Amino acid sequence: QVTLRESGPALVKPTQTLTLTCTFSGFSLSTSGMCVSWIRQPPGKALEWLALIDWDDDEYYSTSLKTRLTISKDTSKNQVVLTMTNMDPVDTATYYCARMVGYSSPFDYWGQGTLVTVSS
Amino acid sequence: DIQMTQSPSTLSASVGDRVTITCRASQSFSSWLAWYQQKPGKAPNLLIYKASTLESGVPSRFSGSGSGTEFTLTISSLQPDDFATYYCQQYNSFPGTFGQGTKLEIK
Repeated sequence: QVTLRESGPALVKPTQTLTLTCTFSGFSLSTSGMCVSWIRQPPGKALEWLALIDWDDDEYYSTSLKTRLTISKDTSKNQVVLTMTNMDPVDTATYYCARMVGYSSPFDYWGQGTLVTVSS
Repeated sequence: DIQMTQSPSTLSASVGDRVTITCRASQSFSSWLAWYQQKPGKAPNLLIYKASTLESGVPSRFSGSGSGTEFTLTISSLQPDDFATYYCQQYNSFPGTFGQGTKLEIK
């Protein structure tokens, strides 16, 4: 059974760095083709893809947020970590992690999401 | 990036209605398109992939079609559980991009 779960702070201050952890089970990120992405959704708005890391440690980032994002993985702990620097109130959103099996694949499993509010 | 535009943004319908949601792409591609259903406070749930393939466990009243720049999601007979927001996503080119969503409301 595949599961993903996001964890991290619910509240961060402007200019701070956000660190989110996705802990998953039911698959291995060392298996060829496996990818985990981060996607966010501001309240009442659409989904926005942020970053992806694959089984081979390749990393990809949203063009508009590339300078602020870092994605990494710890295969032994079944975790993927996303850091986002210089947080701003417009970054208030629910952050999801999701699995893809291969690049030409949809997101077949999602975490439940974690709401991050940016406010002083 | 490929831009995805959904229409309508909001759709009011009744139980038993047949409804269609359209997703248009800024560039043509074959069939690497997915549809997700999202209910308030929940993560999106994959309904259809490769434009027309139903994900396991998804009721057969859902169907998808299209290629090129126009794709559709059809619900043949709306059930109370279907009132939600629907998103299309292209995964033909990296990164996969989402439409802005269609909220399906009870009339």
